[in-house]
Amino acid sequence: SQTIHQWPATLVQPVGSPLSLECTVEGTSNPNLYWYRQAAGRGLQLLFYSVGIGQISSEVPQNLSASRPQDRQFILSSKKLLLSDSGFYLCAWSGRLAGGEQYFGPGTRLTVT
Amino acid sequence: DQQVKQNSPSLSVQEGRISILNCDYTNSMFDYFLWYKKYPAEGPTFLISISSIKDKNEDGRFTVFLNKSAKHLSLHIVPSQPGDSAVYFCAASAGGANNLFFGTGTRLTVIP
Repeated sequence: SQTIHQWPATLVQPVGSPLSLECTVEGTSNPNLYWYRQAAGRGLQLLFYSVGIGQISSEVPQNLSASRPQDRQFILSSKKLLLSDSGFYLCAWSGRLAGGEQYFGPGTRLTVT
Repeated sequence: DQQVKQNSPSLSVQEGRISILNCDYTNSMFDYFLWYKKYPAEGPTFLISISSIKDKNEDGRFTVFLNKSAKHLSLHIVPSQPGDSAVYFCAASAGGANNLFFGTGTRLTVIP
């Protein structure tokens, strides 16, 4: 069966510090991978998605970036965090059939102070 | 612009009764709709989906209804159980795109 891991589970970082969140998927090959953010009182906002190694599509302009160094690894980064980057970050995967179900990881709660 | 809307932020239902969660969308290109359930500090869990070629899909206690002319879908949970208490998100996609557009969620509380 497929599983998706995210770490860390919680993170408190000062404004201006860098960020690296990691997501890995097990039990599947060539998944589509996604990064979402849920801000307080808001729905889930798609930040990035990837259909293959090194292929990243950005949905929302911001100071975040994403990379996919391996087939089942997806990394969300920032060089300098802003207060507005606080939120709940979720990684998800789906099969190659676009438009189908996406399956989410446990999430990372990021608080920027 | 919120293309998927859940206008009720919360809903309380007695155990054993029906829970009806509603969702409206504005993009007529959406052709696939999903419901997710989310507990605090966890990722959303896929619950049920429906294609635009159908108007109803049922899975156990969960049924999703789609009214394309009204651009409205609903999730019915019968009978409601305390373990159903969670935030429910509806989502939609268009034309096989990778993007899922999510609503803002409805918090369901099932009262024992």
